[in-house]
Amino acid sequence: GESVGLHLPTLSVQEGDNSIINCAYSNSASDYFIWYKQESGKGPQFIIDIRSNMDKRQGQRVTVLLNKTVKHLSLQIAATQPGDSAVYFCAENRGNQAGTALIFGKGTTLSVSS
Amino acid sequence: DAGVTQSPTHLIKTRGQQVTLRCSPISGHKSVSWYQQVLGQGPQFIFQYYEKEERGRGNFPDRFSARQFPNYSSELNVNALLLGDSALYLCASSLEGTTPNSPLHFGNGTRLTVT
Repeated sequence: GESVGLHLPTLSVQEGDNSIINCAYSNSASDYFIWYKQESGKGPQFIIDIRSNMDKRQGQRVTVLLNKTVKHLSLQIAATQPGDSAVYFCAENRGNQAGTALIFGKGTTLSVSS
Repeated sequence: DAGVTQSPTHLIKTRGQQVTLRCSPISGHKSVSWYQQVLGQGPQFIFQYYEKEERGRGNFPDRFSARQFPNYSSELNVNALLLGDSALYLCASSLEGTTPNSPLHFGNGTRLTVT
């Protein structure tokens, strides 16, 4: 079936490094994508989103890149900090009506060592 | 500002019992969604409500039901609990559905354990 998936289940980086978390999606009809961060014992926290008519969007220390040709999404975190350690999920939204749902991937666990 | 609040935070039930989980959305948000997150997996969509009407349902059995009240809070009910229902149940609210102008904001969930 169609789903959003992530390339790597875990990623370990040193404090100060840049992190890149990847995600592949299979539904070319998806028009909106979101990255969430989930810390242990908490719910997913919204990080950044991007519409399908965009290639890149920047936030504070984070950048999301969308490549529709190969159906690939990535989250770049600049100057990674220990507080960035968490599970990161990409999610796709199909359509923009009130009744649509987010489809989540399995997540990438980011570990930041100081 | 208060975020999405869920109660209870933890719950232990036995097989065959029924459970009700509660959610209060962010003030001003009219849409509430429910997701189930099994350990090690991403959240899976169960229901979405907007303006007190069901607007979407995921691939879950009829044992799962929900409703939204006039104040936009919501309840998720699960009947005849199975061991496989053990999971983190997440509630998310948004202004209206799930759109670029209305991203989902999640609560910290209710951890349900079925024994």
